[in-house]
Amino acid sequence: NAGVTQTPKFQVLKTGQSMTLQCAQDMNHNSMYWYRQDPGMGLRLIYYSASEGTTDKGEVPNGYNVSRLNKREFSLRLESAAPSQTSVYFCASSVRTGQSNQPQHFGDGTRLSIL
Amino acid sequence: QKEVEQNSGPLSVPEGAIASLNCTYSDRGSQSFFWYRQYSGKSPELIMFIYSNGDKEDGRFTAQLNKASQYVSLLIRDSQPSDSATYLCAVNFPSGGSYIPTFGRGTSLIVHP
Repeated sequence: NAGVTQTPKFQVLKTGQSMTLQCAQDMNHNSMYWYRQDPGMGLRLIYYSASEGTTDKGEVPNGYNVSRLNKREFSLRLESAAPSQTSVYFCASSVRTGQSNQPQHFGDGTRLSIL
Repeated sequence: QKEVEQNSGPLSVPEGAIASLNCTYSDRGSQSFFWYRQYSGKSPELIMFIYSNGDKEDGRFTAQLNKASQYVSLLIRDSQPSDSATYLCAVNFPSGGSYIPTFGRGTSLIVHP
């Protein structure tokens, strides 16, 4: 089982460049998430998609955009990369049930450096 | 603001001891609580989840939830060096009909032989 697949695994960008991080899940999950993880900061939610066709801002959305392409895929775009966006980015997915969300399944992460 | 608080540690315990990890959260309306383990350079993986007050046991792991006091804890019995990792507490906060997962900063656990 592939689970949650993120591409690329590593990327180096120059300030001002743009790029899209890709995420796909094969578990038929409703909800998908993008996080960034910086040293000592835990996981911070950038954007999430509760279900296909919807997206919402999380804690740290500035400088990012997302697209829920279909039920499987959820991409994160940096339009004009800044050094402050150097981080490890994780995509996750979960099943949504009536009262709450089930546990999240994480991809392996994308390590992004912006020079 | 929805917050999840954890002591960053490191928490150092000898092999075979019980490790106790704690987490507090800010919203009484929260319904679901999760513990993830993250090894250095790896992605988080689920250890336990708990929805009801009380204890939930799975092998060497026990999650404890007290909604009145707004805390959730994770006990690891017979700790092993392979348990050395960062443990992340996550809480799903209700928000406008949806549920927003919020993570604590994690507690680093070191189990020494």
